[in-house]
Amino acid sequence: EIVMTQSPATLSVSPGERATLSCRASHSVNSDLAWYQQKPGQAPRLLLYGESTRAADIPARFSGSGSGTEFTLTISSLQSEDFAVYYCQQYNSWPLTFGGGTKVEIK
Amino acid sequence: QQQLQESGPGLVKPSETLSLTCSVSGGSISSSDNYWGWIRQPPGKGLEWIGSIYNTGTTYYNPSLKSRVTISIDTSKNQFSLKVNSVTAADTAVFYCASGNIYDKWGQGTLVTVSS
Repeated sequence: EIVMTQSPATLSVSPGERATLSCRASHSVNSDLAWYQQKPGQAPRLLLYGESTRAADIPARFSGSGSGTEFTLTISSLQSEDFAVYYCQQYNSWPLTFGGGTKVEIK
Repeated sequence: QQQLQESGPGLVKPSETLSLTCSVSGGSISSSDNYWGWIRQPPGKGLEWIGSIYNTGTTYYNPSLKSRVTISIDTSKNQFSLKVNSVTAADTAVFYCASGNIYDKWGQGTLVTVSS
């Protein structure tokens, strides 16, 4: 099983600032990584997949990078609606696995 | 626009079986080259993948749950289902159904509480 580790657990950022979230895989997942955003009481929403492809209607301020075992989600200028929990997920091999999440909170 | 909707009891007694169904609308469950999955989220915790089923019936399960979980598909009803046997309080969670292995479509989620 590929273990996904996200850091930090909580990130405090001011609106307008840049946020950088990390996701590490215990074994290479090539580029088979997705990022999700989840707000309280809502289902997760797909942001990015294939390492850097944005899902439908996702703003350009969300970007992804990395391959193999190290990945980064960057939010270039945080908007009020971006404060949420973010999860990474590998879909390279079974079982599919999620990271533990990073909560982005208002500083 | 494809939509997914979970349904099933919100309360299950310990040691009993949790059963949920995901109804798919806006397209045939068997026409797309696709997996269909179940994910759960205990209150205040992260996401846990439970398992996936292909439209041919091939299944993949989380090893930590494999002995208690069954996922099935009913193409005539455009639905797929989840059963978890011998539930305990630790199985209390919001259960989501989702489309694919890259989950671009999710149901709204349904809270299942395990309690006597």
